[in-house]
Amino acid sequence: IAGITQAPTSQILAAGRRMTLRCTQDMRHNAMYWYRQDLGLGLRLIHYSNTAGTTGKGEVPDGYSVSRANTDDFPLTLASAVPSQTSVYFCASSDSAGTGELFFGEGSRLTVL
Amino acid sequence: GQNIDQPTEMTATEGAIVQINCTYQTSGFNGLFWYQQHAGEAPTFLSYNVLDGLEEKGRFSSFLSRSKGYSYLLLKELQMKDSASYLCAVTDSNYQLIWGAGTKLIIKP
Repeated sequence: IAGITQAPTSQILAAGRRMTLRCTQDMRHNAMYWYRQDLGLGLRLIHYSNTAGTTGKGEVPDGYSVSRANTDDFPLTLASAVPSQTSVYFCASSDSAGTGELFFGEGSRLTVL
Repeated sequence: GQNIDQPTEMTATEGAIVQINCTYQTSGFNGLFWYQQHAGEAPTFLSYNVLDGLEEKGRFSSFLSRSKGYSYLLLKELQMKDSASYLCAVTDSNYQLIWGAGTKLIIKP
């Protein structure tokens, strides 16, 4: 079934630990995104990639890094997790940056203690 | 700054009609999206408006007025499964999506 797969779906992490959230899509979409969603706030863009080999910073990039070595994969890394990074993280992709429908993964619920 | 405003919460009755408003102030405009998000799930696409007017898709319709910086999502013949959050998002001049905080719609029998 075509779509976006995120892993893990849920994780509890000690502060200071390194964590990578994985995201893979099989729709051959050019653009990919990482969002965080917190209660009462809208989706906030962390990082994005308009095409393989390029990445850009979103609204809340501090403490996060991404890479886009190929079209399908877009991992998000927390180098040293802090409690304020407790959130639900969504990976998304679209065939056209900004104007194409976004397809979302199921989300990764991360708790940093 | 860039801003998207939607009501935080709305309540409606099964079988009725509800209109969810969205106003925006962004640097440029390249389209407006509506997404539906059920609790604990990912958002899913509902509609995309780039020109003024009404787009109808089954029980759901979306309206856009670019001159007023205004959109609404109209849901007809409400069903219990329509209980969800509805997210408004605008593409700005840099083709970045700006998201509203979402409107939680509660449907009562």
